[in-house]
Parts: sequence; structure tokens; C-alpha cells
Amino acid sequence: NAGVTQTPKFRILKIGQSMTLQCTQDMNHNYMYWYRQDPGMGLKLIYYSVGAGITDKGEVPNGYNVSRSTTEDFPLRLELAAPSQTSVYFCASSYSQGHEQYFGPGTRLTVT
Amino acid sequence: AQTVTQSQPEMSVQEAETVTLSCTYDTSESDYYLFWYKQPPSRQMILVIRQEAYKQQNATENRFSVNFQKAAKSFSLKISDSQLGDAAMYFCAYRSLKLVFGKGTKLTVNP
Repeated sequence: NAGVTQTPKFRILKIGQSMTLQCTQDMNHNYMYWYRQDPGMGLKLIYYSVGAGITDKGEVPNGYNVSRSTTEDFPLRLELAAPSQTSVYFCASSYSQGHEQYFGPGTRLTVT
Repeated sequence: AQTVTQSQPEMSVQEAETVTLSCTYDTSESDYYLFWYKQPPSRQMILVIRQEAYKQQNATENRFSVNFQKAAKSFSLKISDSQLGDAAMYFCAYRSLKLVFGKGTKLTVNP
């Protein structure tokens, strides 16, 4: 039981490049989330999903896209990377709205 | 929109002493959850304690306990018998559907 896994751990992008951050959970959780954490700040919700095929915007969705074709996977897509997207990205999952969210180890992304 | 405020950017405590971290939140909802998460230098987010808003009894997990004051919208975390391993960023979070985090409190534990 690996919990929530994220790849890659680190990535450097040039402005305008695209990439996909991968997130997989093996706990059969319906709810999955993407957050970003800027230096000295708490986490801000980018997108979330309450089940396969269902996604919705969080607090800071601009510049990102998500899909949820399976229960296990919830990839986050950056289409045109900008320096403002330099951050640490966390994926999380939970059994339901009221249950604990389990977090992945994070991806540190730098856009230069 | 819900907001979570942690008014103490940094706190320090002597090993074996007790420290309290403050958190207030703003919401118009009556049914929600509150959490304290710990983030050590490894960046991993670790759940410390969880409180359901409908429960009047304060949650306790070993050396960690909360003081939940629903009317005052306050949710403080008390760490007893502080240990060096408690040093980390602590985030208070509010949840209805989405999880909203405060900006965090950096806790230093002095030997």
C-alpha cells in the first residue's frame, strides 16, 4: 500500500513549456485534490475531484487543467508554464469529504 | 468564503514544556471539520488531529489536544511535553467540501 505517489519529485521548466504532474493513489479514494504551496504560505487548492469523470475548480485554477479518467489517477497539466507557477505541488486523496486527506510527497517545480 | 487565520508566524518552546498554537476561522456553515497538519522539513503533510464541528468534546491524540470554541470560531492546538521531533510548520485547516489552510506557524523546540 503506497498511499499517494507523485512524479516527478523535482522539475525545472522554461517559460512556455508544458508538463504533466502525475498523481496516483491506491486506497480506492473517491476524492482527490491538487494544491500548491508557495514559500511561507499554506496550501491553496487548485482543482479537486469527487470521483472518476468529475472535476471542479478550487481557489487558484488558472493556468492548470486536470482530468480524472480512473479512480486511481489525477494528473495535473500545465500548458504554458509561467514563473508565477513556481511552487511545490501536493496531491492528496480522501475517502470522503469528512475524512482525513492523505498527501503525496510533493513536486517542486521551478519555471525560469 | 471561508478563511483561516494563524496569528503566530513563529513560536518556540523548551523541550518538555507545553505550547499552544492559535487558529481562528470564519464561516457561515454549521457542519464542518477542522484539522491541524504538521509539515516537517521533509515537506510531507502529516495529520496531527481532527475535530468535527458538531462534537462539543475537544479532540485529543496523545500529547496533542485542541481547544475548540465553536461560537468564537477558535481552534487552538496544545502540545504537551514538547519533543525535538515536534519542530515543524503547523497548519490549521478548515473543511466543508474544500480544505482551506492557514498560513502556518513555525514551531521551534529548544533543547
